[in-house]
Amino acid sequence: DTEVTQTPKHLVMGMTNKKSLKCEQHMGHRAMYWYKQKAKKPPELMFVYSYEKLSINESVPSRFSPECPNSSLLNLHLHALQPEDSALYLCASSPPDRGYNSPLHFGNGTRLTVT
Amino acid sequence: GNSVTQMEGPVTLSEEAFLTINCTYTATGYPSLFWYVQYPGEGLQLLLKATKADDKGSNKGFEATYRKETTSFHLEKGSVQVSDSAVYFCALSVTTDKLIFGTGTRLQVFP
Repeated sequence: DTEVTQTPKHLVMGMTNKKSLKCEQHMGHRAMYWYKQKAKKPPELMFVYSYEKLSINESVPSRFSPECPNSSLLNLHLHALQPEDSALYLCASSPPDRGYNSPLHFGNGTRLTVT
Repeated sequence: GNSVTQMEGPVTLSEEAFLTINCTYTATGYPSLFWYVQYPGEGLQLLLKATKADDKGSNKGFEATYRKETTSFHLEKGSVQVSDSAVYFCALSVTTDKLIFGTGTRLQVFP
């Protein structure tokens, strides 16, 4: 069982819809991440929050809007997406004393389909 | 720049066969190295890691040794099971917050 919980597991949305992906962890981790994974590809980093502040935005289009309400929660708000945004969206977290040798803990992802 | 190169898949093996998945890296500085595994329909799980040269990471019968002289971190297992069928990602980190993944190698194990 993963300790990073993502909801929903699956989401189908139209290009004019607004939806949100949610991620929760209760391990005391202070860094949280959003990754996008296309089929048969490695995950691509989108955003990093460190101590609830956005620390990295990998030039992600503004139709993706992250939010970190508190140290346990991470949201990804979606608006006016394109069909090519269909992918598996993975949330991850890492410990507070993270150095670059700290592994990431991933959730099982939200499978997003944009129609 | 920093990058990871993995062998192309799929790797197809019979149960109890020996597994090697090759991984080489290019990095500035002294990276930490990781193997992650992704089972069908799931996220990634850390399989093992090594943080300095000559370290050996091991878990669930899998092993990988950090070889600085050959810039490699090959994954091995002596006897694979059907349940090991998954996609395996080699990754490196030289700074906090950024994990650089290889392209992934799909392993298929048949009874």
